[in-house]
Amino acid sequence: IAGITQAPTSQILAAGRRMTLRCTQDMRHNAMYWYRQDLGLGLRLIHYSNTAGTTGKGEVPDGYSVSRANTDDFPLTLASAVPSQTSVYFCASSDTPEAREQFFGPGTRLTVL
Amino acid sequence: GQNIDQPTEMTATEGAIVQINCTYQTSGFNGLFWYQQHAGEAPTFLSYNVLDGLEEKGRFSSFLSRSKGYSYLLLKELQMKDSASYLCAVRDGDYKLSFGAGTTVTVRA
Repeated sequence: IAGITQAPTSQILAAGRRMTLRCTQDMRHNAMYWYRQDLGLGLRLIHYSNTAGTTGKGEVPDGYSVSRANTDDFPLTLASAVPSQTSVYFCASSDTPEAREQFFGPGTRLTVL
Repeated sequence: GQNIDQPTEMTATEGAIVQINCTYQTSGFNGLFWYQQHAGEAPTFLSYNVLDGLEEKGRFSSFLSRSKGYSYLLLKELQMKDSASYLCAVRDGDYKLSFGAGTTVTVRA
């Protein structure tokens, strides 16, 4: 089934630990995105990639890094997790940055203690 | 970033009509989007407006006025399954999306 997968589904993490959230899409979309969603704040863009090999910073990039070694995968890394990074993380993709629709993965619920 | 405002909550009766307003301020404009998000699930695309006017898709319609920085999503013939959060999003000049906080719509029998 075509779409976006994210792993893990949920994770509880001790503060200071390193964590990588995985995102894979099989639609051959050029553009991929990471958002975090917090109650009352809506979705906020963390990092994005318009095509394989390129990345850019979104609205809230501090404490996060990404890489885009190929078209399908777009991992998000928290180098040293802090409690304020407790959130639901959504990966999304679109055919191009100009496309009408972004497709969202199922999300990863991360709790940092 | 962008400034996007939409009401926090709305309640309506099954079979009725509800209009969700969204106002925005943006640097550069490349479209306004509405997404639906059921509790615990991912957002799903509902509509896209880039020119002024009304876009209709079944029971859902979306309107845009670029000069006023204003959009609305109209949900007709409400069904229980329409209970969800509705997210207004604006794409800026760099083709990045900014989302409002979302409007939670509760449909009552």
